[in-house]
Amino acid sequence: RKEVEQDPGPFNVPEGATVAFNCTYSNSASQSFFWYRQDCRKEPKLLMSVYSSGNEDGRFTAQLNRASQYISLLIRDSKLSDSATYLCVPWSGGYNKLIFGAGTRLAVHP
Amino acid sequence: DAGITQSPRHKVTETGTPVTLRCHQTENHRYMYWYRQDPGHGLRLIHYSYGVKDTDKGEVSDGYSVSRSKTEDFLLTLESATSSQTSVYFCAISEDRGLSTNEKLFFGSGTQLSVL
Repeated sequence: RKEVEQDPGPFNVPEGATVAFNCTYSNSASQSFFWYRQDCRKEPKLLMSVYSSGNEDGRFTAQLNRASQYISLLIRDSKLSDSATYLCVPWSGGYNKLIFGAGTRLAVHP
Repeated sequence: DAGITQSPRHKVTETGTPVTLRCHQTENHRYMYWYRQDPGHGLRLIHYSYGVKDTDKGEVSDGYSVSRSKTEDFLLTLESATSSQTSVYFCAISEDRGLSTNEKLFFGSGTQLSVL
């Protein structure tokens, strides 16, 4: 089993829609979780950090379910500019222990 | 945006030739990393550095070496490039905030390397 599993998508949604992605992780020792956003052919950028059960930042909400070992990212009122790949990144300790998922691609259309 | 410059941005080389990729930062951050990104895979850590002359291996270090002689520069060398090393290479930096993690990574724009 991969350490981090994400549905590759693409998720095709209209503007204004609400969309959610799930990410499952295998290491129960994972302590913190991060969502990075990566635009096509660009570098990843940190979108959100999750240290407890969840986090909310504007239209973006992350929720963690430790019992089932998954974390979700909810995007409300989708914008065209949200089109990107979203990378799930659990951390289980140490400087080199960020495990990047392969990402979920979101395409928002008019 | 964080001051990270990768060079070259694109490179095409032949199997068996040495290749060096450069990462230069102007943020004076302590930690620097080299990742590769391939379709269907997440970013995978090749090597990282936690200070000048202090480096360690990551998940996929075979065939790669690194050097860090100055805080601002982190070099990745493919001693003898192979086709399996065709990839997009990202450099990243993070600051030392006194924690055991440096999850806030800032990435460079990447280098597309093609080994023919």
